[in-house]
This record gives sequence, C-alpha cells and structure tokens, in this order.
Amino acid sequence: AQTVTQSQPEMSVQEAETVTLSCTYDTSESNYYLFWYKQPPSRQMILVIRQEAYKQQNATENRFSVNFQKAAKSFSLKISDSQLGDTAMYFCAFRQGGSEKLVFGKGTKLTVNP
Amino acid sequence: DAGVIQSPRHEVTEMGQEVTLRCKPISGHNSLFWYRQTMMRGLELLIYFNNNVPIDDSGMPEDRFSAKMPNASFSTLKIQPSEPRDSAVYFCASSLGTGGLTGELFFGEGSRLTVL
Repeated sequence: AQTVTQSQPEMSVQEAETVTLSCTYDTSESNYYLFWYKQPPSRQMILVIRQEAYKQQNATENRFSVNFQKAAKSFSLKISDSQLGDTAMYFCAFRQGGSEKLVFGKGTKLTVNP
Repeated sequence: DAGVIQSPRHEVTEMGQEVTLRCKPISGHNSLFWYRQTMMRGLELLIYFNNNVPIDDSGMPEDRFSAKMPNASFSTLKIQPSEPRDSAVYFCASSLGTGGLTGELFFGEGSRLTVL
C-alpha cells in the first residue's frame, strides 16, 4: 500500500520569507500523481498544487512551487514570500494512476508570523 | 458554481444515537468520497463511489458505519449506534473520476461530529 510521510508536524516562518515543507512517499508504481492541499482554520481543504509523476518539470503556481525528486520519492512544497493567509495545515497526497483513491500524509501545521 | 455541500456542519449527540451526515457533490462529478479526520489518524478514506456504485469501502471502520448514494446528487454516511470514538470531522469530496486528468478532489466544509 502507498504511504505518505510528512516529517514536520509543525513549522513557522516570518512573513515575506520562504519556507519548505517536506513530503516523502512510498510506491512501486511509475504512474501516479502528487498533490499539496491546504486546510485553513475554516477547515475546507483546498488544492494548492499538483504534479504528474511523468513530468520532469516541477510544478509552479504563483508563490507555490514543488521540488519533485522521483528517484528519492520526495515531493516538497516551497512557499515564497509567505503571507499571513498561508497559515494553515498542509497535506501532501498521493494518487496512483488509474485509481481514484487519494492517500494523505498526516499534515504539517504552518504558522506565518507577522 | 456551488461546491460540495455537507450537512450538518456540526452535530453533537449522545452515545448510542444514530447519526446521518449528508453530502451533495458538485454537479457533473461522478466520484464521491467520504473521509474522516482525527488528530491521531489524520485523513482516512472511508469509502468512495463511482457513478453511484460503492467501489472501495475497505476504510469503513465497522458495521456501525454505512454509506449510500441513491443518486448522482446525494450521499449519506450513517453511524448507528454512535460511540465517543467516532468523534471526528467527516469530509465529503467529489471529483470527475478517472475521466479527469488528475482526479483533483473538491472538498466540502466538513461535518464536525461530537459523540458524548
């Protein structure tokens, strides 16, 4: 079974600085998708960024980018120019190609300090 | 467009009572998921449906839990009888299924259940 590990339960960063959240996963498949979801205090899960395993280029969405290291099975999220609104739980998630199931890590609680 | 709609947003009940959580997926989405979130276990997939048919219910913890999807626009998750350890936030999510390029899940706001 696939597993997703987020080794940082909590992190903090100063406003306007850059922070990187770690995620590793375990799979024997070659076709899969990776996601970062954000869960603010309002509780609703929001997709931040996605990465297809077959793409070598790292995904970028405005201030959010990933460092996808397929061989190392690592998928970290970099948030640049952190804003107070980035304060949230961040979940890394894995989906095997052809499957509907999304497997989540335990999450990292990020606090952006003014 | 309306997102995934869940009700109730909060539910407090006593042990032994029946609890029914409801979900309306995004129109046009053909896959629906029920997740449970707790501090200890994180986000766990309980069950998911594709075209109203349950595909994988291996995450349903025990027979006290049941889920139905009578049509494409409505699903329920029922717990009977409820126990204090069922206290959690229950999320419903929907997606375009494997027909979508990446199967992004769209989540509702969750139902926070407290069983006393």
